[in-house]
Amino acid sequence: EDKVVQSPLSLVVHEGDTVTLNCSYEVTNFRSLLWYKQEKKAPTFLFMLTSSGIEKKSGRLSSILDKKELFSILNITATQTGDSAIYLCAANAGGTSYGKLTFGQGTILTVHP
Amino acid sequence: GAGVSQSPSNKVTEKGKDVELRCDPISGHTALYWYRQSLGQGLEFLIYFQGNSAPDKSGLPSDRFSAERTGGSVSTLTIQRTQQEDSAVYLCASSSGARDEQFFGPGTRLTVL
Repeated sequence: EDKVVQSPLSLVVHEGDTVTLNCSYEVTNFRSLLWYKQEKKAPTFLFMLTSSGIEKKSGRLSSILDKKELFSILNITATQTGDSAIYLCAANAGGTSYGKLTFGQGTILTVHP
Repeated sequence: GAGVSQSPSNKVTEKGKDVELRCDPISGHTALYWYRQSLGQGLEFLIYFQGNSAPDKSGLPSDRFSAERTGGSVSTLTIQRTQQEDSAVYLCASSSGARDEQFFGPGTRLTVL
């Protein structure tokens, strides 16, 4: 059974801190790893990673994938209160599961002023 | 439209009643997905439509759940004889294809009394 595990489950930091969120996966015929930010209801797409070792960056957020060790990290530098959200990691598998995302349980990030 | 839309945004129903949830995907997206997010849980895959292919229903939790997609666009998720454990946020997503990032709608919060 495909599985995605995120850690930590929750994290409380102060503005300006740097955080690293972790995501490990066990997925048959792995295709890609996606990160989403969920503030209210709709998860907002952040990154999709398909190749190992290539960092994707958007502003203060960056992410990288390690297909050998089966994990990904999401880094947020100089955190702001607006970064407070649930961060979801999901794996897209191939074969008969192609297109279905398997999600981790999420990391709840709280950034205090 | 500019993004995925869902209706209603909230639905309260009594145990045993049937409900219909609607999803309008991003125009031109051939793939459409339904997920469920229960309180404190990650997103759980329900069903996936890709073009004219038969839908992947492997995530539907029981035969009380069904979904259809008419004309390759709008989709309706139907839950018959609702139970209290069906209470959750039902999220719809669409993508250009199975290998592409999925964009989520705002969800429908279903409460079964």
